[in-house]
Amino acid sequence: AIRMTQSPSSFSASTGDRVTITCRASQGISSYLAWYQQKPGKAPNLLIYAASTLQSGVPSRFSGSGSGTDFTLTISCLQSEDFATYYCQQYDSYPVTFGGGTKVEIK
Amino acid sequence: EVELVESGGGLAQPGGSLRLSCAASGFTFSSYSMNWVRQAPGKGLEWVSYISSSSSTIYYADSVKGRFTISRDNARNSLYLQMSSLRDEDTAVYYCARDPSDAGIVVPGTGGFDYWGQGTLVAVSS
Repeated sequence: AIRMTQSPSSFSASTGDRVTITCRASQGISSYLAWYQQKPGKAPNLLIYAASTLQSGVPSRFSGSGSGTDFTLTISCLQSEDFATYYCQQYDSYPVTFGGGTKVEIK
Repeated sequence: EVELVESGGGLAQPGGSLRLSCAASGFTFSSYSMNWVRQAPGKGLEWVSYISSSSSTIYYADSVKGRFTISRDNARNSLYLQMSSLRDEDTAVYYCARDPSDAGIVVPGTGGFDYWGQGTLVAVSS
C-alpha cells in the first residue's frame, strides 16, 4: 500500500497567517491526491482534488500544488473557521490511503 | 441536495456482528461508486471498503478482509456493510462516502470522496 506522510502533525497559527501543510507519498501518484478538512465531531469535507483543483464552494484562500510524490496545501490567509484537522489522501490505487493528519490550532 | 445517512451502529461484543446501512438521496445513486471509511476515537481516517456502481468491483482493506462484506441495493438507494468477527480495534465512527470514480478508475475532472455521511459509531467491547 502507498504510504502518505503529512507534516507537521500539528502546529499553532494566528488568524491572517499563511500556512502550508505538506504530504509525501511513498511512491509516485501522479496528481491523484485530495485534501480534506475535518472539524471535531464532523465528517471530513473535500477541499481539493487532482492535487490542485478546488472543490465547488471551497474558498479561494485554499490552494494545492504538487505531483508525483510531493504535495502541499496552502491557506493564504487563515480564518477562524479554518482551525481544524487536514488530511491528504491518495486515490491513485486501492487501497486508497490517508495521511496521518495535520491539526491547525489557534496560537 | 446530496445526503448520506448512516445507521446501524452500536455496541457489539468481540466476535459479534453488526450491519451498517447508508441511505442516499439527492443524486442518482446507481451511477456512483461508494466507500466506507472509519475513524477510531482520536485517530485518523482509515479506508475500509469500496464498491463500484454496479457492484462489479469490490475492494477491502487488509484489516477487514474476510470479516466485512460491502453491498448495495440500487433500487433502495442504499449501501451496506456487514461486519462480523468484530474486534476491539474495529471500534470507530464509520462513514459512507460517495466516490466519482468508475470501477476504481478515476473519472477525468473528478477525484476524492466528494460527499460524506455524518457517521455511525461502532463500539466493540465485552
